[in-house]
Amino acid sequence: DGGITQSPKYLFRKEGQNVTLSCEQNLNHDAMYWYRQDPGQGLRLIYYSQIVNDFQKGDIAEGYSVSREKKESFPLTVTSAQKNPTAFYLCASSRAGGPYNEQFFGPGTRLTVL
Amino acid sequence: SQELEQSPQSLIVQEGKNLTINCTSSKTLYGLYWYKQKYGEGLIFLMMLQKGGEEKSHEKITAKLDEKKQQSSLHITASQPSHAGIYLCGAPDSGGYQKVTFGTGTKLQVIP
Repeated sequence: DGGITQSPKYLFRKEGQNVTLSCEQNLNHDAMYWYRQDPGQGLRLIYYSQIVNDFQKGDIAEGYSVSREKKESFPLTVTSAQKNPTAFYLCASSRAGGPYNEQFFGPGTRLTVL
Repeated sequence: SQELEQSPQSLIVQEGKNLTINCTSSKTLYGLYWYKQKYGEGLIFLMMLQKGGEEKSHEKITAKLDEKKQQSSLHITASQPSHAGIYLCGAPDSGGYQKVTFGTGTKLQVIP
């Protein structure tokens, strides 16, 4: 079955540590996205990538980094520079080439900073 | 930047009752997505509306896009406990690329 996988489901990090969240898709989608979800704030875009080896900052990119070396993978690193990293992180993917291609979401990773 | 406001923020209905959730945009809508989310899980795509006046249905859920009012409504008929969750609307950016702005969500509880 095609879909998006995110791992791990729960992640705990000590302050000052970097941590990488995994996102893999087998839908053959060109575009991939990372969102952060906080209570009462909806989804906010962190980074997005429309093609391999290319990505752009979203609305809240500070303290995060990404890479897109393979079409099916778009890992997100939460660095120690992110001031308030505790949140629910969602990865999504979509076909490219137009404004009406719906995004498909993974199950999410809940990150807690101890 | 575009903002989407959803109302109500939360809703508790008795099983079998009808309900409506609204999504209002601060700018012209070029289309609209509706998603459903169970707490702590990913978003599930429900439907996409592209044209003013367009109406789509999926099982007992109907959504309509009213471009003139920059608004979309999602209506659930004869609600069931399986309808419980968070409903989010999302609007694509006007720039021809798939950047989507999401609303803050409406939390729906259905009481048996």
